[in-house]
Amino acid sequence: AQSVAQPEDQVNVAEGNPLTVKCTYSVSGNPYLFWYVQYPNRGLQFLLKYITGDNLVKGSYGFEAEFNKSQTSFHLKKPSALVSDSALYFCAVRIQAAGNKLTFGGGTRVLVKP
Amino acid sequence: GAGVSQSPSNKVTEKGKDVELRCDPISGHTALYWYRQSLGQGLEFLIYFQGNSAPDKSGLPSDRFSAERTGGSVSTLTIQRTQQEDSAVYLCASSLVALGNTEQYFGPGTRLTVT
Repeated sequence: AQSVAQPEDQVNVAEGNPLTVKCTYSVSGNPYLFWYVQYPNRGLQFLLKYITGDNLVKGSYGFEAEFNKSQTSFHLKKPSALVSDSALYFCAVRIQAAGNKLTFGGGTRVLVKP
Repeated sequence: GAGVSQSPSNKVTEKGKDVELRCDPISGHTALYWYRQSLGQGLEFLIYFQGNSAPDKSGLPSDRFSAERTGGSVSTLTIQRTQQEDSAVYLCASSLVALGNTEQYFGPGTRLTVT
């Protein structure tokens, strides 16, 4: 069965510092990997995805993520965090052979302090 | 363009009552998904529809849960005889097609509270 792990419940970072949110996955086939962000009382917003090709993918709001097959990881990164990046971040995996549902990690709350 | 919309935004109901939650997907999106977000279980897949194909109901937690999608557009999630453990935020999403490489777009959710 596929699964996604986000080992950190919360990440604290000072504004202007680099931000990393960790994600590891476990699947039996080729994964499609996604990052979503959720602001308070809002639905999930798509940030970026890895399907195939370059391991470094760039997404919305200056975020990027690196796919590492050997480490089965897909960490989300931003070079310089903003206070407005404070939100709940979800990593998700999808395997077409297992149906088109998304399997989500538990989420990581990011707090960017001024 | 308009995103995914859901109604109501909040619903408080008494234990044992039935509730209906509505989702309007993005126009032209053929795939529609329901998820549930709760403190104890995180984000869970419930059901998805793709065109005229039979829905994937593999995530529905019990037979009290059902969903339909009329005319390939609007969807209704029905929970019968609600229980307190049904309290959660119910999220609807849609995508252009149900392929693994297409992202899903989520609505704002319906917060269900069962008292």
